[in-house]
Amino acid sequence: SQQGEEDPQALSIQEGENATMNCSYKTSINNLQWYRQNSGRGLVHLILIRSNEREKHSGRLRVTLDTSKKSSSLLITASRAADTASYFCATDNYGQNFVFGPGTRLSVLP
Amino acid sequence: DAGVIQSPRHEVTEMGQEVTLRCKPISGHDYLFWYRQTMMRGLELLIYFNNNVPIDDSGMPEDRFSAKMPNASFSTLKIQPSEPRDSAVYFCASSLASQGDRETQYFGPGTRLLVL
Repeated sequence: SQQGEEDPQALSIQEGENATMNCSYKTSINNLQWYRQNSGRGLVHLILIRSNEREKHSGRLRVTLDTSKKSSSLLITASRAADTASYFCATDNYGQNFVFGPGTRLSVLP
Repeated sequence: DAGVIQSPRHEVTEMGQEVTLRCKPISGHDYLFWYRQTMMRGLELLIYFNNNVPIDDSGMPEDRFSAKMPNASFSTLKIQPSEPRDSAVYFCASSLASQGDRETQYFGPGTRLLVL
């Protein structure tokens, strides 16, 4: 079945550095979304990119989508301690299913 | 808007007992999702509704799990009988579809269930 897989599983960086997380999936999609989850909390939507889009920005976030490689990346620039969280990609397969990957745990050290 | 509301926030019960989790979606949203999150299995979609109708329940682990959505503002997830392996955080999420997509999902705070 289709599944988003984030890479790396865990990432530790210094405050001010950029963080890049990748997501790969298996089948065609109509959109891909990135979510953040702080420890013990629900998921919060960050950004949605449609299959006909290649890049999208939102504040310090930049998401790219390469449908030929079935992959997406999330870049967080100038990271802050408050960015420490788990980040999930989720793929929407034309209404047939909606699948979250296992997530990347990001630690931003002060 | 208060966002997605879930209750209870924490539930501790004994094996064999019935557990009912509740969710109030964001007003006007037409999709509602139930997820389960564990360390071992990550975030799993259990079931989702569109306009109160269950669309896909293939993620429901077994017959002990059931979900209902009697109206647009309320849904329940019931486990009967509960087992220790059901211990997890259960999330409810809602969304407003457009262009045939389910768009952004808004998650509730979750219910932490511990079955002893």
